[in-house]
Amino acid sequence: NAGVTQTPKFRVLKTGQSMTLLCAQDMNHEYMYWYRQDPGMGLRLIHYSVGEGTTAKGEVPDGYNVSRLKKQNFLLGLESAAPSQTSVYFCASSYLQRSTEAFFGQGTRLTVV
Amino acid sequence: GQQVMQIPQYQHVQEGEDFTTYCNSSTTLSNIQWYKQRPGGHPVFLIQLVKSGEVKKQKRLTFQFGEAKKNSSLHITATQTTDVGTYFCASERGNKLVFGAGTILRVKS
Repeated sequence: NAGVTQTPKFRVLKTGQSMTLLCAQDMNHEYMYWYRQDPGMGLRLIHYSVGEGTTAKGEVPDGYNVSRLKKQNFLLGLESAAPSQTSVYFCASSYLQRSTEAFFGQGTRLTVV
Repeated sequence: GQQVMQIPQYQHVQEGEDFTTYCNSSTTLSNIQWYKQRPGGHPVFLIQLVKSGEVKKQKRLTFQFGEAKKNSSLHITATQTTDVGTYFCASERGNKLVFGAGTILRVKS
């Protein structure tokens, strides 16, 4: 039981490049989230999903896209990376959104130069 | 931006001193969760409070939910170096799980 796994763990991109961050969970969770963490800003919600085939915007969705084709996977895409997207990205999942804890992946440290 | 305000942003204490972080909302919360993130790590769930006025304890940690369910606090008694990290509160807003900005705790031994 691996929990929530994020790949890659580190990445350096040039401005304008694209990439996809993968989040996989093996706990059969319905809800999945993508957050970014920046100093002094805490965890800000980018996009989330309440089930397979569904996605919704969070607090800071601009510049990102997501897909949830399979229940266990939640992909975060950057079509044209910008230096402002330099951050640590965390994926999380939970059984049902209410009254249950969220389990986090180890994070992806992304630098855009 | 954050819909739950967390204070202070940063606190540096001497080992053995107490520490408290506060989470405040302008609207009533259905529940409040607390997480701890060690330096270089990921957030880990500590506890959830649901009832008005609820108080829960985990060893040296005491969690409270306000009577009006608009604020919450986490108090650590006699801090240790192992308490170092960032403490977040989080609340549910519809289908979203929204976090406060966190309080960074540093402990000087």
